[in-house]
Amino acid sequence: QKEVEQDPGPLSVPEGAIVSLNCTYSNSAFQYFMWYRQYSRKGPELLMYTYSSGNKEDGRFTAQVDKSSKYISLFIRDSQPSDSATYLCAMSKSGSARQLTFGSGTQLTVLP
Amino acid sequence: DTGVSQDPRHKITKRGQNVTFRCDPISEHNRLYWYRQTLGQGPEFLTYFQNEAQLEKSRLLSDRFSAERPKGSFSTLEIQRTEQGDSAMYLCASSLNGGELFFGEGSRLTVL
Repeated sequence: QKEVEQDPGPLSVPEGAIVSLNCTYSNSAFQYFMWYRQYSRKGPELLMYTYSSGNKEDGRFTAQVDKSSKYISLFIRDSQPSDSATYLCAMSKSGSARQLTFGSGTQLTVLP
Repeated sequence: DTGVSQDPRHKITKRGQNVTFRCDPISEHNRLYWYRQTLGQGPEFLTYFQNEAQLEKSRLLSDRFSAERPKGSFSTLEIQRTEQGDSAMYLCASSLNGGELFFGEGSRLTVL
């Protein structure tokens, strides 16, 4: 069993929809949680970074962490076609990100 | 362009040949990471350097793989006697003192 599980999708939504992306993890040593966005044939880019349980908001993006359930989510409000990409959750055991453990990614398409 | 640069972007080789990838990190970044990403999967950690010192290596990094960062600037990843299972995207990332990782666009390896 993988340490980090992520629904691969693909997920297709109409423009303006609210998107919910999720990951579960099994290792309670993970303390830092990130969401990356990866466009086709590009490297991942950091979207959100959280440490504690709770919510963190940045524009149309909200990251949610529930350490007791080992469950993290990314919500995208008012989704746009430019949000179409693969979204990867990632976790590390320390704040100094020596080694990230990634989920397998969810492919999202936002239809105009 | 002052981001992470990787070369070549795509390499096609025959099984048994050696290949070498180069990564030029963001100039002031002291940490450099190599990850491998196969189709439909998230990146997997391979190794990490702080300046010229290789501090961590994943068990994924078999003895056919060697990475160097001789002067604490650019890095090379060499794969000897390539196998079809080595076909993947090899991603390089850099960070300043363990902060946000900035990924390059990757070097795609196809082993025939």
